[in-house]
Amino acid sequence: TQLLEQSPQFLSIQEGENLTVYCNSSSVFSSLQWYRQEPGEGPVLLVTVVTGGEVKKLKRLTFQFGDARKDSSLHITAAQPGDTGLYLCAGGNAGNNRKLIWGLGTSLAVNP
Amino acid sequence: DAGVIQSPRHEVTEMGQEVTLRCKPISGHNSLFWYRQTMMRGLELLIYFNNNVPIDDSGMPEDRFSAKMPNASFSTLKIQPSEPRDSAVYFCASTTGTSGTDTQYFGPGTRLTVL
Repeated sequence: TQLLEQSPQFLSIQEGENLTVYCNSSSVFSSLQWYRQEPGEGPVLLVTVVTGGEVKKLKRLTFQFGDARKDSSLHITAAQPGDTGLYLCAGGNAGNNRKLIWGLGTSLAVNP
Repeated sequence: DAGVIQSPRHEVTEMGQEVTLRCKPISGHNSLFWYRQTMMRGLELLIYFNNNVPIDDSGMPEDRFSAKMPNASFSTLKIQPSEPRDSAVYFCASTTGTSGTDTQYFGPGTRLTVL
């Protein structure tokens, strides 16, 4: 059974601080997606990484896929209150299987 | 463009009652997913359809749950009879494409409370 573990589970920081959240597995995935979910809404895709070692940047967010494609990290620089939300990672497998394996998420609160 | 539409947004019912959740995927999307989200178990895939055909229903908890997709623009998730442990937020998502790298577009969810 493929599992994705996210850490930390909860994170509360002050505006302007930097942070990193992690998504780890003992299984290899062909792709890794990060979603952000705000209260009362569904998750929204932030990024998809597909190559081991790949780094993608989205404004102040930096995403990295591990070389072995078993883990990923999300780094936020100078966090803002608008970054508050639940960050979910989801692993995908090759082929026509569209089923994603989801982590439990990291709940981030950025205080002004 | 309209996103994924779910109804109702909130549902409160009593144990033993039938509950029907509805979803309209994004036009042109060929895959539809039903998820359940709780604090303890996170986001769980219940079932997904491809071109209106159920592909993987291994996440459906038990026979009390059933899902249908009679056409490309409508799907239902039914719970009969409902139990308090079914209380959760239920999401519908849709996507187009052929693999797990495709973006899943989620609806706003239905918050179900079973008393």
